[in-house]
Amino acid sequence: GQQVMQIPQYQHVQEGEDFTTYCNSSTTLSNIQWYKQRPGGHPVFLIQLVKSGEVKKQKRLTFQFGEAKKNSSLHITATQTTDVGTYFCAGPNNAGNMLTFGGGTRLMVKP
Amino acid sequence: DGGITQSPKYLFRKEGQNVTLSCEQNLNHDAMYWYRQDPGQGLRLIYYSQIVNDFQKGDIAEGYSVSREKKESFPLTVTSAQKNPTAFYLCASSIFGRATKGNSPLHFGNGTRLTVT
Repeated sequence: GQQVMQIPQYQHVQEGEDFTTYCNSSTTLSNIQWYKQRPGGHPVFLIQLVKSGEVKKQKRLTFQFGEAKKNSSLHITATQTTDVGTYFCAGPNNAGNMLTFGGGTRLMVKP
Repeated sequence: DGGITQSPKYLFRKEGQNVTLSCEQNLNHDAMYWYRQDPGQGLRLIYYSQIVNDFQKGDIAEGYSVSREKKESFPLTVTSAQKNPTAFYLCASSIFGRATKGNSPLHFGNGTRLTVT
């Protein structure tokens, strides 16, 4: 079945450093979604990418969708303590009726 | 405010007992989902429903059951057959239809932490 993998599993950074998490799918995706889960909270939708090679920015966050639509990345510039949490990517199955989540990357930021 | 309500936030049960987790949404979303999250792990799909009176198994449906009698409600029963029921359970909903092809974002509830001893 479809698999969605994320690396790294954990990342510790000093506040102000950059951070990147990578997402790879075993199948070509029609779109990819990113979510953030704060410690003790629930996942919150961040963004959806649809087009091959698409790049979207949200303030210090930059999201990319690969040309082959099988991989994606999230880059955070100059991390802040408010960025702490786990970032998940998720892709739909071929039928488009369910999402498969990656294992997530847990970001910890030292002030 | 529109949203998804899960109750209770914490739930404790003895081994061998069935327990039902509540999930209600007032977003008028067609699709609803149940995910399980274990500590430090990702989300795994238990069941999903795209329309009232219809639901499908996800990746880890064994030991769970659901119903979808109303559009707003999608309760999950964790049965005694579930071997490792202690986990964080998340309910979600999304718009689902021809236009979106099921790829619209998920809105999650606050979750229920179930502990079975």
